[in-house]
Amino acid sequence: AQKVTQAQTEISVVEKEDVTLDCVYETRDTTYYLFWYKQPPSGELVFLIRRNSFDEQNEISGRYSWNFQKSTSSFNFTITASQVVDSAVYFCARSYYGGSQGNLIFGKGTKLSVKP
Amino acid sequence: NAGVTQTPKFRILKIGQSMTLQCTQDMNHNYMYWYRQDPGMGLKLIYYSVGAGITDKGEVPNGYNVSRSTTEDFPLRLELAAPSQTSVYFCASAQGVGNEQFFGPGTRLTVL
Repeated sequence: AQKVTQAQTEISVVEKEDVTLDCVYETRDTTYYLFWYKQPPSGELVFLIRRNSFDEQNEISGRYSWNFQKSTSSFNFTITASQVVDSAVYFCARSYYGGSQGNLIFGKGTKLSVKP
Repeated sequence: NAGVTQTPKFRILKIGQSMTLQCTQDMNHNYMYWYRQDPGMGLKLIYYSVGAGITDKGEVPNGYNVSRSTTEDFPLRLELAAPSQTSVYFCASAQGVGNEQFFGPGTRLTVL
């Protein structure tokens, strides 16, 4: 199976610190999509961002930014000036393009704790 | 719009019992998915559907069945519950391949 690896199981930071969550993926496809989802303690899954494999431009949205590098098969996520409300489990995922299902392959998640 | 709704929110089953997890979406999405999330793990695909009347197995389909008679509904059936099926189940829908998936709130199932 083509895996998505989030090597950091848990990260703990103090409020206002910057933090980067790593994501490395395997793929044999030329066309694919990458996603980040947030799962706060309440349990729902919240969509954060989608990138397609042809667009390596970095993206910034408020305190969030994403660095996509095809050469290293990485799609890292940085939170600037972290806040307690950022505490959650963050999942990186890749769309499986074998056939036409579009289903997602998830990493195991990184649990981020932001302490006041 | 309600988005993706799932019922029930919680359920405790005894070994060997059956139940259906309901999932409904009101976004007119053709693609629907069932995932399970075990503690400390990411989500794994159980079944998916690319439209009414079309379903197929995902990574972990054993012990489950699905049907898709309408665009809106995608129920997941557990026929003979086993402790290994204790998990949180998420239903999701998407407009198409590569689009973001919208997730329901999840169903927490315990099999004792």
